[in-house]
Amino acid sequence: DGGITQSPKYLFRKEGQNVTLSCEQNLNHDAMYWYRQDPGQGLRLIYYSQIVNDFQKGDIAEGYSVSREKKESFPLTVTSAQKNPTAFYLCASSIGGDGTGELFFGEGSRLTVL
Amino acid sequence: GQNIDQPTEMTATEGAIVQINCTYQTSGFNGLFWYQQHAGEAPTFLSYNVLDGLEEKGRFSSFLSRSKGYSYLLLKELQMKDSASYLCAVRDIQAGTALIFGKGTTLSVSS
Repeated sequence: DGGITQSPKYLFRKEGQNVTLSCEQNLNHDAMYWYRQDPGQGLRLIYYSQIVNDFQKGDIAEGYSVSREKKESFPLTVTSAQKNPTAFYLCASSIGGDGTGELFFGEGSRLTVL
Repeated sequence: GQNIDQPTEMTATEGAIVQINCTYQTSGFNGLFWYQQHAGEAPTFLSYNVLDGLEEKGRFSSFLSRSKGYSYLLLKELQMKDSASYLCAVRDIQAGTALIFGKGTTLSVSS
């Protein structure tokens, strides 16, 4: 079945460590996104990529980095510079193009910093 | 920038109708989306409006007025499983194909 796979589902990290969250899609979508969700909050955009080898910062990109070397993959690294990284991270993809397509979401990765 | 407002919480009873409002301010409006999110799960797509008017899909309908920067999601014949957060999101030309989300409305349906 086509879909978006995020891993790991749960992750614990010590302060000062970088961690990379994986996101893979087999929907043949051009665009991919990373969002962060905190309790009682909506989704906030971290980074997005509309095409391979290109990505743009969202509203809260500081302390995060991404790469888009392959169409199906868009990993997110949470660096030690991110001051409050404990959150629920959601990856999504869409067809892209003229921008009418909805976003399809993965199941999310819950990161806890100890 | 963008600003999206929706009520934080709403309550309703089974079988009733509920309307969740969303107001937005954006410079390059290019579509409005509604998503449903159950606790601890990923959001799922409900509806999309880019032109003024009502879009109906089963028990759910969504309305858009671009001149007023206003949308609502209408849920009919409420069921317990409709208890969830409902997220309003807009697409702005300045953000390409990305969606900007409001904080969501938590709906509790009681029997």
